Amino acid sequence: DTEVTQTPKHLVMGMTNKKSLKCEQHMGHRAMYWYKQKAKKPPELMFVYSYEKLSINESVPSRFSPECPNSSLLNLHLHALQPEDSALYLCASSQSGSTYNEQFFGPGTRLTVL
Amino acid sequence: AQTVTQSQPEMSVQEAETVTLSCTYDTSESNYYLFWYKQPPSRQMILVIRQEAYKQQNATENRFSVNFQKAAKSFSLKISDSQLGDTAMYFCAFMEETSGSRLTFGEGTQLTVNP
Repeated sequence: DTEVTQTPKHLVMGMTNKKSLKCEQHMGHRAMYWYKQKAKKPPELMFVYSYEKLSINESVPSRFSPECPNSSLLNLHLHALQPEDSALYLCASSQSGSTYNEQFFGPGTRLTVL
Repeated sequence: AQTVTQSQPEMSVQEAETVTLSCTYDTSESNYYLFWYKQPPSRQMILVIRQEAYKQQNATENRFSVNFQKAAKSFSLKISDSQLGDTAMYFCAFMEETSGSRLTFGEGTQLTVNP
């Protein structure tokens, strides 16, 4: 199984809502990633979990909160988002985050903030 | 810091023809990895091909091949016998050996294959 799954596929939320994005992989990978992608732009790395250790991109606002309940699951909790946070959110995983390994991407969640 | 440059925002090609997408990068590292990812309208980011910098031989995957020029820091993608399904955004990406698995992406090239 070389698949990364993401739910939901689409999400519409208001600026006062709290929601969560979910990402799951069953490839035994020990590193997982969240990316934000605006239209016609490359993905921007938000967070990396490698062997349960979190690395944060310092430019990511605190209204985004990652959680890694176990090595197969990665959540992104959303709270008090702004319209400019509307984007495609991609999850990826790799065998290890400490040496070169191919990243496998999920299909993404299209988020719209009203 | 490393940078990746794709100078062609959009390209088009006729079905069955060959097209080359360009990519240049900048790094002071000697060990690194280069990738081409494809993102069709379905949004799924798919790895097309990868090249290890220490390998002189250019990588090939079926109709996809690269021209890796390490001294020139150039990494172009050639698609032979283009198919309609090749229509997608193509991202060149770079990973330093010491950065873990962190990717630096170029701005992308939108490729359209016309029937």
